[in-house]
Amino acid sequence: DQQVKQNSPSLSVQEGRISILNCDYTNSMFDYFLWYKKYPAEGPTFLISISSIKDKNEDGRFTVFLNKSAKHLSLHIVPSQPGDSAVYFCAASDGSGGYQKVTFGTGTKLQVIP
Amino acid sequence: EPEVTQTPSHQVTQMGQEVILRCVPISNHLYFYWYRQILGQKVEFLVSFYNNEISEKSEIFDDQFSVERPDGSNFTLKIRSTKLEDSAMYFCASLTGTGEEGYTFGSGTRLTVV
Repeated sequence: DQQVKQNSPSLSVQEGRISILNCDYTNSMFDYFLWYKKYPAEGPTFLISISSIKDKNEDGRFTVFLNKSAKHLSLHIVPSQPGDSAVYFCAASDGSGGYQKVTFGTGTKLQVIP
Repeated sequence: EPEVTQTPSHQVTQMGQEVILRCVPISNHLYFYWYRQILGQKVEFLVSFYNNEISEKSEIFDDQFSVERPDGSNFTLKIRSTKLEDSAMYFCASLTGTGEEGYTFGSGTRLTVV
């Protein structure tokens, strides 16, 4: 039962260009969404979040867009840098503030080519 | 920057043996979690812990699993009788719970059951 889906297992982008990572969800009770980045041999690192009352949240080079009607969110990284190369996990929660359990997607491996 | 510390980084155990995975969450955090990631699969919720008790657990977290916060700083996950399918990366995470935020994860313990 994949409530959070990341349909692209991998993505390659040239340095300086935009990276767009996509995520779809099926559970309409989800109201808080997060993106995590994971390097090999490390735990996931929180990047950015968005609550369902917003449709956009921006933090530096990272912007998350939420389309509730389509049950879709995306993470934009611009400009992409080689250090952004990692696995990106989309995650969702049905509790405000994110302290409820989080359901993760399967991840998208981003490679930024210098 | 405060971090969540997990020990050991790698644990090899024989099937049927008990293992204890240890975590030291960030000191002012109030919510504690265990997640696991079987190789090649998504990060899965195991259990959340708040106010010295389990607040939620998944169907994975059966009677073979237990958690404890014995001394106000450590947070442990015990697997009583390990099975081959328990082999995974186990991640501890913590959260202040005071606002919109993501978990802080530890770097994980790789459990190999042979």
